[in-house]
Amino acid sequence: EVQLVQSGAEVKKSGESLKISCKGSGYKFSTYWIGWVRQVPGKGVEWMGVIYPGDSDTRYSPSFQGQVTISADKSISTAYLQLSSLKASDAGMYYCVRRWGDYYFDSWGQGTLVTVSS
Amino acid sequence: QSALTQPASVSGSPGQSISISCSGTSSDIGTSYKVVSWYQYHPGKAPKMMIYEGSIRPSGISNRFSGSKSGNTASLTISGLQAEDEADYYCCSYTTNRTWVFGGGTKLTVL
Repeated sequence: EVQLVQSGAEVKKSGESLKISCKGSGYKFSTYWIGWVRQVPGKGVEWMGVIYPGDSDTRYSPSFQGQVTISADKSISTAYLQLSSLKASDAGMYYCVRRWGDYYFDSWGQGTLVTVSS
Repeated sequence: QSALTQPASVSGSPGQSISISCSGTSSDIGTSYKVVSWYQYHPGKAPKMMIYEGSIRPSGISNRFSGSKSGNTASLTISGLQAEDEADYYCCSYTTNRTWVFGGGTKLTVL
C-alpha cells in the first residue's frame, strides 16, 4: 500500500523557518514525482511545486518560487518542504502528494498544519 | 496562474444528483480532457482522488461519481447522493506552463 506520512503540526512565530517532511513507503520512492500543496480555508488549494527524487529535478509554482525550497533524500524515501521568514499568510494545511501518470495526484499525505503567530 | 472557478457550495437531498462545475481557460482545462482530476476532502482524512483523465474513476470509487468536460469547463456529477458524500471537492488541471492549478473548492452538503 502506498503511504505518505508527514511530520507533525507546527506552531511558529513570524520570521522563523520551518521544514516539513514527507516519507513515502509501499513503492519505489525515487521513481515518482512528489508535490506539495497548501490548503487555506476560504482560499482553496494552491499547488506549490514538485520534485523528482531520482535526480532532484524540481519545479515551482511562480507563486511560490523563491519563497519555498523543495528537496528530497531518496536514500530515506523522504521529501521536504522548507519555508523561511514565515508570515501569517503562510499558515495553512500542507500536503505532500504523489504524482501519478502525467497529470494526477493519486496519494496524499495526512497533512501538516502550520500555525504562524506574531 | 489563477485558480479554477468552482461554486462555493452545493447541496442536495439523499438520492438526488448534483453537479459541480469547474471553469478554467484555454491554458488549462481547455487543453485536453486528460488534464482534469477531482479530489474529495473529508475533514481529518487524507484527500482522495475521485476522477482522473476528466472522467475515469480510480479503482474503488463508486460509479455514482462521474466527470465530464466541455470547452474550458469541467464538471463532477454525483448521482444517488448519500450522507457520506458530504465533503469538500476540488478540481485540478495541469497547465501549458507545466504547472498545476486547483479550484477554490466546493462544499457539498447532503440535506
